[in-house]
Amino acid sequence: DVKVTQSSRYLVKRTGEKVFLECVQDMDHENMFWYRQDPGLGLRLIYFSYDVKMKEKGDIPEGYSVSREKKERFSLILESASTNQTSMYLCASSLPWTGEDEQYFGPGTRLTVT
Amino acid sequence: AQTVTQSQPEMSVQEAETVTLSCTYDTSESDYYLFWYKQPPSRQMILVIRQEAYKQQNATENRFSVNFQKAAKSFSLKISDSQLGDAAMYFCAYKQETSGSRLTFGEGTQLTVNP
Repeated sequence: DVKVTQSSRYLVKRTGEKVFLECVQDMDHENMFWYRQDPGLGLRLIYFSYDVKMKEKGDIPEGYSVSREKKERFSLILESASTNQTSMYLCASSLPWTGEDEQYFGPGTRLTVT
Repeated sequence: AQTVTQSQPEMSVQEAETVTLSCTYDTSESDYYLFWYKQPPSRQMILVIRQEAYKQQNATENRFSVNFQKAAKSFSLKISDSQLGDAAMYFCAYKQETSGSRLTFGEGTQLTVNP
């Protein structure tokens, strides 16, 4: 089974802190994604990566950056956390685009910024 | 830009009954894929069912089936013989043929199953 893990289930940070969210997948997937999930808004794509050291902006990249130094690991960075970044963050991975390929999700990190 | 709309924030169903979750989408593309994902409470999101737009036949997976109406841009999910384990947040998602692996998600529908 594909396994996608995220470094923390719950995280509390203070405004202005630099925050790192880590995601690791064990199925040698090329594609990795970061979403944020908010009630009434569904999942919105922050950044994604098709390969090591490659990244592309999603729909809401402002205030975030990413890093992918190894194929299995995709990190989301909040350079200076703000209260409006309080949310559930989901990581996902998938095979290279083959049309109907599904995305496999991690358990999520619920981040609270105070 | 493509949009996906789930107009039912919450739905409920009695155990063993059938429920239908609605999803509409907006696109000018002719080739695309549609998905329903399930997010159980405190558990990871998983794929329930997928549909290729070029296929006229509706996809089915055991108790889960879809009603895909391409002209109406509608993609509803029917759950038959509902079980307590079906209680979850359900998300409809769209992927354009030419967009690589990017998914666009709807707002989600919270399904409650009553015993």
